[in-house]
Amino acid sequence: DSGVTQTPKHLITATGQRVTLRCSPRSGDLSVYWYQQSLDQGLQFLIQYYNGEERAKGNILERFSAQQFPDLHSELNLSSLELGDSALYFCASSERQGRGGYGYTFGSGTRLTVV
Amino acid sequence: AQSVTQLGSHVSVSEGALVLLRCNYSSSVPPYLFWYVQYPNQGLQLLLKYTTGATLVKGINGFEAEFKKSETSFHLTKPSAHMSDAAEYFCAVRRSGAGSYQLTFGKGTKLSVIP
Repeated sequence: DSGVTQTPKHLITATGQRVTLRCSPRSGDLSVYWYQQSLDQGLQFLIQYYNGEERAKGNILERFSAQQFPDLHSELNLSSLELGDSALYFCASSERQGRGGYGYTFGSGTRLTVV
Repeated sequence: AQSVTQLGSHVSVSEGALVLLRCNYSSSVPPYLFWYVQYPNQGLQLLLKYTTGATLVKGINGFEAEFKKSETSFHLTKPSAHMSDAAEYFCAVRRSGAGSYQLTFGKGTKLSVIP
């Protein structure tokens, strides 16, 4: 157990629908990062939050949004889902915005299948 | 911007043989470098990292990597492969200093170990 908890582990939904993925960071970590892993694109950085504030944005579609709550858990919202959104979505956390070169701690991911 | 190139999407070695997984990076500033391992249906686990100091870095499970600035490389090695090393390995880079904490990952190398 890495200490980063992601729910649900698996999600199957239809095109056009909206889903919410949840992440609880490791205790004491203030930063949360979301990544998408697919066979063709590999691991793509989506977005980072630090202590409730958005800090960096990567290749995140406009149909996707995220937030980090006061208790530091984060949610990734995916809407108007398309077949191509099927992927593994990982959450990772780190201390203090990742200063000091700390590597992230990853959760076990949510596998999203859009049918 | 940073980028990572992992040479060979799939590497096969015999049990007991040397493991060498290649990683080259591109970064305009001194990088922080990481190797992660992903077992099937699991998240990514940090193997080792280079931030500053000694260029030969030792990690978990007998792996090590050497940062070679002149070659912009951070190859991962293990003297003797074990069946349990079969997994996918990802090299990642991050800028040192403030402001850019997200990791940029390579496409990954799948390691197979032949008995």
